[in-house]
Amino acid sequence: SQTIHQWPATLVQPVGSPLSLECTVEGTSNPNLYWYRQAAGRGLQLLFYSIGIDQISSEVPQNLSASRPQDRQFILSSKKLLLSDSGFYLCAWSPGLNSPLHFGNGTRLTVT
Amino acid sequence: AQSVTQLDSQVPVFEEAPVELRCNYSSSVSVYLFWYVQYPNQGLQLLLKYLSGSTLVKGINGFEAEFNKSQTSFHLRKPSVHISDTAEYFCAVIPSGNTPLVFGKGTRLSVIA
Repeated sequence: SQTIHQWPATLVQPVGSPLSLECTVEGTSNPNLYWYRQAAGRGLQLLFYSIGIDQISSEVPQNLSASRPQDRQFILSSKKLLLSDSGFYLCAWSPGLNSPLHFGNGTRLTVT
Repeated sequence: AQSVTQLDSQVPVFEEAPVELRCNYSSSVSVYLFWYVQYPNQGLQLLLKYLSGSTLVKGINGFEAEFNKSQTSFHLRKPSVHISDTAEYFCAVIPSGNTPLVFGKGTRLSVIA
């Protein structure tokens, strides 16, 4: 069966520091991969999605970036964090774009 | 652009009472519809999905939803809620075509003993 791992579970970082959140999927090949951010009272905001290696779409302009170094690995990064980057970050995968998403357990990021 | 509206941001309900969480989407073309549940500090879990066929869809934990194309709605229902149903519920839609899932802003269900 397929599983998705996301880490760390919580992270406290100072403003201006870099960020790297990692997500891996097991038990499937060539998954679609997604990064969402959830801020209080604002629902889920799609940040990036990838339908394959070297195919990453950015939905919202910001100081975040995403990379897919391997088929089942998706990394969310920032060179310099802002206070507004605080939130709950969720990684997800799906077999295709017209398929349900399966989510990781999330990373709670607090920028101080 | 496709969008999803969850009309209630918070719904308090007494234990063992019925509940309906409302969801409307903006398009009248064929869509795929989903409900997800999120417990505190966790990821989202799929409750149920409508892809085609019967408009009444049954999901996990006793929830069901009805697709109504003429009213562009996909309301979630449960006849008798438990304390453990306290969570945030998200309606989502995949429009036809190769675009990712679009989520509503969520409804926080609070079950009161």
